[in-house]
Amino acid sequence: QSALTQPASVSGSPGQSITISCTGTSSDVGGYNFVSWYQQQPGKAPKLMIYEVNKRPSGVSNRFSGSKSGNTASLTVSGLQGEDEANYYCSSYTSSNSLLFGGGTKLTVL
Amino acid sequence: EVQLVESGGTLVQPGRSLRLSCTASGFTFGDYTIHWVRQPPGKGLEWVGFIRPKAYDETIEYGASVKGRFAISRDDSKSIAYLQMNSLRSEDTAVYYCCRGHSGLGAWGPGTLVTVSS
Repeated sequence: QSALTQPASVSGSPGQSITISCTGTSSDVGGYNFVSWYQQQPGKAPKLMIYEVNKRPSGVSNRFSGSKSGNTASLTVSGLQGEDEANYYCSSYTSSNSLLFGGGTKLTVL
Repeated sequence: EVQLVESGGTLVQPGRSLRLSCTASGFTFGDYTIHWVRQPPGKGLEWVGFIRPKAYDETIEYGASVKGRFAISRDDSKSIAYLQMNSLRSEDTAVYYCCRGHSGLGAWGPGTLVTVSS
């Protein structure tokens, strides 16, 4: 299976909002509400930011939100802050009983 | 506090075997699916596989690139999961993470580096 498709990079100024897309197929993103998003700072392990498309774990800022339409999921970060600069990965459960990650998106806060 | 710590990563020659361990604490280990995820240097995340809890017959699934070479197991009495890696290749070089699965991968270890090189 090929990785889910994410843009290589996105950028925004402090206070603005950005959206990262994650495109799959009906066998993964489109077929299940088990899409997650992870934030990874340099040299650190990834951190869960969104699970089951649009749910936030305890402790994650409400500036992070998730959604899905068809085979594409999206992560929106509103009120951008410098600390949001990181790599972001989406993942989805698949019809093969596996997990599939996106290629990752580097978010730059200008 | 939920904690996962991987160990066993090292430099190993191509074709050899290596076993990684994932030691957990702060939660009831036997209730959770444990995943292994890897990340080659400077690249993205790749799912390696998972093992479900005893309540789900400890079923195991693997990613295509490791199926038939890697094996995942668990010892709930010790709160440890294992990743047995055989016939290692240079492309297996990566940081290996173990993760607790439940509504997303909500807890990750710091990772352990495996380098496959002669």
